[in-house]
Parts: sequence; structure tokens; C-alpha cells
Amino acid sequence: DAGVIQSPRHEVTEMGQEVTLRCKPISGHDYLFWYRQTMMRGLELLIYFNNNVPIDDSGMPEDRFSAKMPNASFSTLKIQPSEPRDSAVYFCASTVGPPREQETQYFGPGTRLLVL
Amino acid sequence: AQSVTQPDIHITVSEGASLELRCNYSYGATPYLFWYVQSPGQGLQLLLKYFSGDTLVQGIKGFEAEFKRSQSSFNLRKPSVHWSDAAEYFCAVGARVNSGGYQKVTFGTGTKLQVIP
Repeated sequence: DAGVIQSPRHEVTEMGQEVTLRCKPISGHDYLFWYRQTMMRGLELLIYFNNNVPIDDSGMPEDRFSAKMPNASFSTLKIQPSEPRDSAVYFCASTVGPPREQETQYFGPGTRLLVL
Repeated sequence: AQSVTQPDIHITVSEGASLELRCNYSYGATPYLFWYVQSPGQGLQLLLKYFSGDTLVQGIKGFEAEFKRSQSSFNLRKPSVHWSDAAEYFCAVGARVNSGGYQKVTFGTGTKLQVIP
């Protein structure tokens, strides 16, 4: 399997622009997670989906952030409008459920976002 | 809610020396514990995990970790560090949020390991 795929790997944009990050989970995985990593706050869970349905979005920082999962093989995280403080590395991860002791989250390579 | 503390932000060790990275957790029940490694520009890779049973857990790349309930710790160890071990290491704690439901995983802030010749 190709693993979790994220695109783009790098994104540089100007403040106020819309940013869309994409993720393709591992085939057969029914949980998908979006994380944000910054120097100040470390790795934070933003939202996660189960069977394409958002389960917990309490980590989404504000209304400028939205996430969708239209099907089992694709998810997007959108920031509109973007702000410099959104600059971070955004990771997508997936896992197969229902949760068992063997559960492991598989991470994508991340998208490094810089908002100028 | 669970939480994780990694008290060392940065550690430097000589190649061939032993390594111990500290991790303390807070959780009301028996936790699920993980160590992940992140190489520069890469995503996180699972090194090892503890769910139950033997408190000494063996992982990949020669790493091991010991769960000590009395100390709320899950320290990562390696007897002899290689230059390729230079990376950032994250401890994480997981908990069930509902019956049969997903275990929410909370990550520590990470420890950067530098290996010198």
C-alpha cells in the first residue's frame, strides 16, 4: 500500500487566501484524523472522521477551518480566509476500526503551510 | 482528560551511548501508551505501544519502553544510539471515549534527539 497520501507537500499563500489541504487514507481504513503541528503547541488533533462522518471537531480552532470527507478515500481540510498564525505542518492519519489493541495510526508526510 | 508531559525538549547524546527519553502521563484509568518518531520532513512512525500485559515493551529499531504505573511514566530507552536515531520523539496516551469507540490519542510536545560522533 502507498500509505497515507497528502497534497500538496508545501503551500505558501498570502493572508486572506483560501487554502485546501488534501488527504487520501490507506485503503480499508475507516478512521481519518487531521492534526496540526506547531513549535508552540506541538501536535494537536483538529478533527476525526469515522466512516466519512465527522465524530469530534472540538479541536478545530475556529470557523475559518472546515473539513469534509465526501467518500472513504478522500478528505479535505480548508482554511478560509487564511492567517499567518495558521502556518504549521498539517498531518493526516488513518486507522482501521473498530478500535482494538492492534490499532495504530498511520501518518501521512504532512503539508507544510506558510501564510504570509 | 488525559495529558502527556515530555520534560526534555532537546537531548544530545554521543553515538554508541545509551538513551532514555522521559514521558509522564495523566489519565484516570489504564492508559494506552505510544512512542512515535518523526524524522525531518516526515510524518510520525510508531516505535512501540503498550496496551496491557508485560510492562516492558519492545519496539522497532532496537527501542524499548517500560510502563511504570506507580510513577505514571513510560520512558523510552535504547542501549546504544546510532546517528540515524537523530529525530524528534513523541510520547502519546490514548483513552477510550465511548464504549467500543475510538481511543482519543493525546501527544506530548516532543523531544528532539541530537546524536554527536
